[in-house]
Amino acid sequence: DSGVTQTPKHLITATGQRVTLRCSPRSGDLSVYWYQQSLDQGLQFLIQYYNGEERAKGNILERFSAQQFPDLHSELNLSSLELGDSALYFCASSVGGTGLTEAFFGQGTRLTVV
Amino acid sequence: AQTVTQSQPEMSVQEAETVTLSCTYDTSESDYYLFWYKQPPSRQMILVIRQEAYKQQNATENRFSVNFQKAAKSFSLKISDSQLGDAAMYFCAYRSLSGTYKYIFGTGTRLKVLA
Repeated sequence: DSGVTQTPKHLITATGQRVTLRCSPRSGDLSVYWYQQSLDQGLQFLIQYYNGEERAKGNILERFSAQQFPDLHSELNLSSLELGDSALYFCASSVGGTGLTEAFFGQGTRLTVV
Repeated sequence: AQTVTQSQPEMSVQEAETVTLSCTYDTSESDYYLFWYKQPPSRQMILVIRQEAYKQQNATENRFSVNFQKAAKSFSLKISDSQLGDAAMYFCAYRSLSGTYKYIFGTGTRLKVLA
């Protein structure tokens, strides 16, 4: 158990809909990262938050948005969903800063758009 | 911008044999961290090993070791005495120590272990 909790584990929704993915980081971790992994592909970095503020943006579509709340949990909002958005969405957390620390990953949310 | 390249989409190894997975990266930074993650069929991302760029000594964790060549920007993973449970996708990752501190992943290498 990595200590990172993602909900829900599975999500099936229709095209055009909007969904929210939730992530609770490990206790004490200030950084949260979101990644998208399509079938048998690598991890595409979407966005990073550090202590409530956006720190870095990757290849995140305009239809996607995220935020980190004062209690450090984070939500990834996906709207106007398309079939191509079907993927495994990972949240990871780390202490942040310059320490040698790996990113701890949640088990992912598998999103299927039908 | 930093990039991570894994040029071997798939590798196979016989059980009990040794295999080396390649990773190269591009950066202008002098200090950074490197990681290897394993993703088994369960899709959980599991840390295998990590390396600090300022350390010349190669990291080792049981049957897993790295060959870190800083000048060549190469960070390969050696798995000794391969086991069936080693079959997975392996991702190399780079972590910047300036700016955003984000983790950048390679495209992965699928390792098959043959009985």
